[in-house]
Amino acid sequence: GEDVEQSLFLSVREGDSSVINCTYTDSSSTYLYWYKQEPGAGLQLLTYIFSNMDMKQDQRLTVLLNKKDKHLSLRIADTQTGDSAIYFCAESPTLTTDSWGKLQFGAGTQVVVTP
Amino acid sequence: DTAVSQTPKYLVTQMGNDKSIKCEQNLGHDTMYWYKQDSKKFLKIMFSYNNKELIINETVPNRFSPKSPDKAHLNLHINSLELGDSAVYFCASSQGRIANTGELFFGEGSRLTVL
Repeated sequence: GEDVEQSLFLSVREGDSSVINCTYTDSSSTYLYWYKQEPGAGLQLLTYIFSNMDMKQDQRLTVLLNKKDKHLSLRIADTQTGDSAIYFCAESPTLTTDSWGKLQFGAGTQVVVTP
Repeated sequence: DTAVSQTPKYLVTQMGNDKSIKCEQNLGHDTMYWYKQDSKKFLKIMFSYNNKELIINETVPNRFSPKSPDKAHLNLHINSLELGDSAVYFCASSQGRIANTGELFFGEGSRLTVL
């Protein structure tokens, strides 16, 4: 996780927006991802963005990518208690045979939603 | 019907013992992975198999030996367990090259505790 950094904790009130930030170092990353891990479960892909895009919106989720600063963010609108989880940012390298499954994950941001 | 299933979910054992974790996926995917998540939640890829062939081996000690009897199964055997092996081990699968879609399907994890 050294090449992908995230803040470790975020507390947000129900109904507010959450913004989770991530910085990465590999400028050749092709795709960047957000995964969600609920307690006792494996990770699930939430959304991804291709490196030639600046923004992607999917219902309550908005992903912003700043390639110049190598900064990725995930905004969750109208945060619900069910959104409490750990959110992982991940990057994948340029497509090569060696890139199979080599997602580089951050350490995860624990999001706690309070009523 | 669980897509990626791992057994056992919890494993507590003494240093020096040998143990195995099994993984099966019923998604028809051709690529399977083992990831290790340490106590700080860092996720690191260990191995990747495509159609029973080893694709990625991320400088994991020789004490770790993956085995893929068929493309739906990827087991992990660990010899001479050490304290530092304590972690949650996640099995995952994908269809084809991960960098195309980013979607890894994770199992629920196997928490290994070495005493």
